[in-house]
Amino acid sequence: KNEVEQSPQNLTAQEGEFITINCSYSVGISALHWLQQHPGGGIVSLFMLSSGKKKHGRLIATINIQEKHSSLHITASHPRDSAVYICAVPLNYGGSQGNLIFGKGTKLSVKP
Amino acid sequence: KAGVTQTPRYLIKTRGQQVTLSCSPISGHRSVSWYQQTPGQGLQFLFEYFSETQRNKGNFPGRFSGRQFSNSRSEMNVSTLELGDSALYLCASSLRNNEQFFGPGTRLTVL
Repeated sequence: KNEVEQSPQNLTAQEGEFITINCSYSVGISALHWLQQHPGGGIVSLFMLSSGKKKHGRLIATINIQEKHSSLHITASHPRDSAVYICAVPLNYGGSQGNLIFGKGTKLSVKP
Repeated sequence: KAGVTQTPRYLIKTRGQQVTLSCSPISGHRSVSWYQQTPGQGLQFLFEYFSETQRNKGNFPGRFSGRQFSNSRSEMNVSTLELGDSALYLCASSLRNNEQFFGPGTRLTVL
């Protein structure tokens, strides 16, 4: 059974700072997901990655399969990036992506 | 394309009642998953359906059940509601083995 650990739990940054959120998991996976949740509850999928690195605008996600570790980076952070960022992996290796287990999330607050 | 829709958005029930929540996936998506989010336990996986078959089930009591219809719409049912069932229930849909698209959620309050 997979377990997901995220750090830090809370993060306060000044606008413009470079931000890193870390995620570790315990068992082999087919892919890892980074999600964003704004106040009010809506969840948006940011990345799904199984190797290497992906970039979307100011967001970069990396994964090291051997070390079972992933990072989410935000460059030139902005107050609108304030949200909870959640790392998730499938419950079962080699199966579908629709049975995710989640880290506890990182609450990011970016001050102007 | 319309996103994932969930109805109702808010619901208030009393202990012992039962409730049915509905999820309509993005058109063409055949996989639907359900998750529960509470302040204490965070996000937890409930069920996953694909083509009307339950593919995976999380660690929840039998009071929680679900189903998927031939048009991929899904419902989940909670019987004999307990105070601890108060939560945000999220549904997500996907094409097979792909990223998950989440609905806005149904916020259930049990009094």
